Amino acid sequence: DGGITQSPKYLFRKEGQNVTLSCEQNLNHDAMYWYRQDPGQGLRLIYYSQIVNDFQKGDIAEGYSVSREKKESFPLTVTSAQKNPTAFYLCASSTIAGEPSYEQYFGPGTRLTVT
Amino acid sequence: GESVGLHLPTLSVQEGDNSIINCAYSNSASDYFIWYKQESGKGPQFIIDIRSNMDKRQGQRVTVLLNKTVKHLSLQIAATQPGDSAVYFCAALYSTLTFGKGTMLLVSP
Repeated sequence: DGGITQSPKYLFRKEGQNVTLSCEQNLNHDAMYWYRQDPGQGLRLIYYSQIVNDFQKGDIAEGYSVSREKKESFPLTVTSAQKNPTAFYLCASSTIAGEPSYEQYFGPGTRLTVT
Repeated sequence: GESVGLHLPTLSVQEGDNSIINCAYSNSASDYFIWYKQESGKGPQFIIDIRSNMDKRQGQRVTVLLNKTVKHLSLQIAATQPGDSAVYFCAALYSTLTFGKGTMLLVSP
């Protein structure tokens, strides 16, 4: 099946620890994205990448880091510098040409709880 | 910066009614808009999109209307069903997709 997967679904960490969230896609999409979602809020862009070995900061990049060593994979590290890391994290991918659309395909999300 | 917003955080309807979810955007520079549906604990799913050279686009039981003059977008769901209960997001494309905060649609039988 073609799609985008995130693992794990639930993740628990102690404060002060870095944690890495996995995102993999087999849609052959060039672009990948990480969003953060808080209760009652929309999606806020953390980082995105349009090509391997390149990525750009989104609106709330502080305290996060990413890598894009392979087209299929875009892991997100939540560092200890992120002040409020507990949230629902969504990964997405898309083509960049806009054909047939600019639709982003989302993974099922990872709910991170830091105590 | 750009912003995208929804008028109502919650919309309650009866099964079988038509639902209308509204969205406003701040920057007329966008030429592409998209609606997503998100069920609890899941990732958003694509519903329908529209480009700025169109005023209306229809899908299965859904219609998106775009009014560029007042920078307003709406999603109409016909014959709303309990399975339509979810949070609905609009998004506008600028350098990346900018999402609104979402409207929760509650459908009662």
